[in-house]
Amino acid sequence: AQSVAQPEDQVNVAEGNPLTVKCTYSVSGNPYLFWYVQYPNRGLQFLLKYITGDNLVKGSYGFEAEFNKSQTSFHLKKPSALVSDSALYFCAVRDGPNQGGKLIFGQGTELSVKP
Amino acid sequence: GAVVSQHPSRVICKSGTSVKIECRSLDFQATTMFWYRQFPKQSLMLMATSNEGSKATYEQGVEKDKFLINHASLTLSTLTVTSAHPEDSSFYICSRSGPTEAFFGQGTRLTVV
Repeated sequence: AQSVAQPEDQVNVAEGNPLTVKCTYSVSGNPYLFWYVQYPNRGLQFLLKYITGDNLVKGSYGFEAEFNKSQTSFHLKKPSALVSDSALYFCAVRDGPNQGGKLIFGQGTELSVKP
Repeated sequence: GAVVSQHPSRVICKSGTSVKIECRSLDFQATTMFWYRQFPKQSLMLMATSNEGSKATYEQGVEKDKFLINHASLTLSTLTVTSAHPEDSSFYICSRSGPTEAFFGQGTRLTVV
């Protein structure tokens, strides 16, 4: 069965410092991996995805993520955090192209960036 | 711009009444859409898969008679919460899949009083 784990409920970072939000996954086939961000009372916004190719994926708002097959991880990173990055972040997985778009989400990590 | 439009964004209803939430795919004819429920600061729980022209597929533990899903056209899926109770209060989000990533509506905050 597919699963996604985000081991940290909350990450606190000072503005200007690098940030990492962790994600590990478990799938039977080749994973399609995603990061989404959610602001209060809003839907999810797509940040980036890994389907195939380079392990380092660059996405929106300066975020990037590194796919590590041996560690089954897909951590989200940003070199310099902004206060406006404070939000709820979700890692998600889809078990290849044949699941009709159904995503399995991690439990979410609340990122707080302080000035 | 948004490719999935969800309406209303916020609704308050009385216990025992029914509430309908609409989800529209704006740029693509979607044969399949998804409905999620989210509790405060928690993850999204898939409730059901909405299939155009046929019955929805519900996840285990989701009451079909309480959460009625209709997908009558390729651009519109609706979720009706019937005989609402305070415990149905939650944030409901719809989505449709793209070639790779999924696209989400802006969500509906339902409060049952």
